[in-house]
Amino acid sequence: ETGVTQTPRHLVMGMTNKKSLKCEQHLGHNAMYWYKQSAKKPLELMFVYNFKEQTENNSVPSRFSPECPNSSHLFLHLHTLQPEDSALYLCASSLRGAADTEAFFGQGTRLTVV
Amino acid sequence: AQSVSQHNHHVILSEAASLELGCNYSYGGTVNLFWYVQYPGQHLQLLLKYFSGDPLVKGIKGFEAEFIKSKFSFNLRKPSVQWSDTAEYFCAVNDLPGNTGKLIFGQGTTLQVKP
Repeated sequence: ETGVTQTPRHLVMGMTNKKSLKCEQHLGHNAMYWYKQSAKKPLELMFVYNFKEQTENNSVPSRFSPECPNSSHLFLHLHTLQPEDSALYLCASSLRGAADTEAFFGQGTRLTVV
Repeated sequence: AQSVSQHNHHVILSEAASLELGCNYSYGGTVNLFWYVQYPGQHLQLLLKYFSGDPLVKGIKGFEAEFIKSKFSFNLRKPSVQWSDTAEYFCAVNDLPGNTGKLIFGQGTTLQVKP
């Protein structure tokens, strides 16, 4: 049990669909992150939220739209995705959005775009 | 841009063998360094971290890593591996000035330990 829960665990969606990934943490953390793990590539940061404010967008295409309504919840809204967006999407949280804090990861959502 | 390089992509060892996984990073300033592990079917979890102080850090399950600033390296070691150490290992770094908590990861090393 990691304290960071992601749903769904698996998602298959068509290129015209709209879906959302959800992340919830029960650790009392104030920073939350979305990472993308594609086959044969390093984990890549997508977004950072610190105290509900977005502090980093790593040049992510607008078809990925994050939302952080409070420090415990983070969403990733998906629309008109491409097959190359198929990947494992990992959520993480840390006490604060700073360099000297440990990140705790969820188990990820395996996304397949068809 | 910062980058992290893990030299070994796939390592196969027998139980009781010694392990060393290489990690080099590109950033020349002050960094924090991490090793994460992902056991089959499980989430990424922290093995150990270096922020400052003694460059030899000890983590969980008998792992240790040594920060060598002059070599931009943070290699992971374990004297005697077990079958249960079969997993994927990730080195990660973040830079200190103005950092948002963003981690930059290496590509990962898959370790297979044969019983």
